[in-house]
Amino acid sequence: EDKVVQSPLSLVVHEGDTVTLNCSYEVTNFRSLLWYKQEKKAPTFLFMLTSSGIEKKSGRLSSILDKKELSSILNITATQTGDSAIYLCAVEASNTGKLIFGQGTTLQVKP
Amino acid sequence: SAVISQKPSRDICQRGTSLTIQCQVDSQVTMMFWYRQQPGQSLTLIATANQGSEATYESGFVIDKFPISRPNLTFSTLTVSNMSPEDSSIYLCSVARGTGASYEQYFGPGTRLTVT
Repeated sequence: EDKVVQSPLSLVVHEGDTVTLNCSYEVTNFRSLLWYKQEKKAPTFLFMLTSSGIEKKSGRLSSILDKKELSSILNITATQTGDSAIYLCAVEASNTGKLIFGQGTTLQVKP
Repeated sequence: SAVISQKPSRDICQRGTSLTIQCQVDSQVTMMFWYRQQPGQSLTLIATANQGSEATYESGFVIDKFPISRPNLTFSTLTVSNMSPEDSSIYLCSVARGTGASYEQYFGPGTRLTVT
């Protein structure tokens, strides 16, 4: 059965800290891995990763995929209180667009 | 990206009734999906909304409970039928955009449903 696992499940840090969120997967026919930020209802798209070793960056956020290790990390540097959210990792396991989600990591950034 | 709207944004319904949620996209998309997020849980795919044909449901979800329509490439509806408190969730539509190699997927704002 296809599976996506995130760790840690929750994390509390202080402003200015750097955090690393992990996502590992066991899926057949891997196509891509996506990261989302969820603050209220709708997950907001952050990154889509398809190739191993190529870092994607957006401001203080960056992510990289390791297909050999079947995992990805999401880094957030110089965290701010506005980064407090649930971060979701999802994998597209076939060319259907269907996503399998991990449990999410709840990040709380304290002032 | 994509601009996606959903209606209603939230509702409180009585058990045994049905609610239809609408999803509108700003431009044509091939792939549309409906997800459910139960309280404290992650997202689970309900079905793929197929234009012009019956939706494709995931294991554990059936058409009688979650009928879906997709009359064109920009619009879809999900009905939650004969509701019970266990149906209290956020319901999200999403669209996939990209090439045959990979798709970026974007979510609508969600509908928060509470069943009493």
